[in-house]
Amino acid sequence: NAGVTQTPKFQVLKTGQSMTLQCAQDMNHNSMYWYRQDPGMGLRLIYYSASEGTTDKGEVPNGYNVSRLNKREFSLRLESAAPSQTSVYFCASSERGGSSGANVLTFGAGSRLTVL
Amino acid sequence: GQSLEQPSEVTAVEGAIVQINCTYQTSGFYGLSWYQQHDGGAPTFLSYNALDGLEETGRFSSFLSRSDSYGYLLLQELQMKDSASYFCAVRDNAGNMLTFGGGTRLMVKP
Repeated sequence: NAGVTQTPKFQVLKTGQSMTLQCAQDMNHNSMYWYRQDPGMGLRLIYYSASEGTTDKGEVPNGYNVSRLNKREFSLRLESAAPSQTSVYFCASSERGGSSGANVLTFGAGSRLTVL
Repeated sequence: GQSLEQPSEVTAVEGAIVQINCTYQTSGFYGLSWYQQHDGGAPTFLSYNALDGLEETGRFSSFLSRSDSYGYLLLQELQMKDSASYFCAVRDNAGNMLTFGGGTRLMVKP
């Protein structure tokens, strides 16, 4: 029972470099999410995918792109990393929106990204 | 959009009861959720209220009043392991986005 798996766990980038965070879930969930969490703060939604084949912007989408590769996988890409994107990134999944299970998010362990 | 307010920090002693409040503003309402996050860990789901009233899960209970746009998480018989951050969250009117509050850091002292 892996749940939600994110890679990498840690990454250090230089300003301007690109990278992709990978996320996969094995719970057959329809919806997937990418959040960022800055020190001492709550979770802010970057992008989400309500179902396979759809993606939508969250609160803080600038500087990011996403791909819902299939039902299991949802990746987050930083095309040109900036120091302001230093954060901990969490991927999550849930049942489809509109169902009570949509409020039960299962999170991955997080990816700690530092941009120098 | 959605906005949620909760206290930034709460301190309590082991064995006591603590209540963490959450007020929200949202254009549509699909339920109030609570999550726990230990330092360095991932958030984990605790409870969910879609309707007014109290939901109990062991030592934890969650309350919702939709008319007051208010809810709280009640932790009883506090244990040291309950020291963590607690987040309330609401879902948007399309039922797709879950927005989190800033979190309440609970410190349990012996």
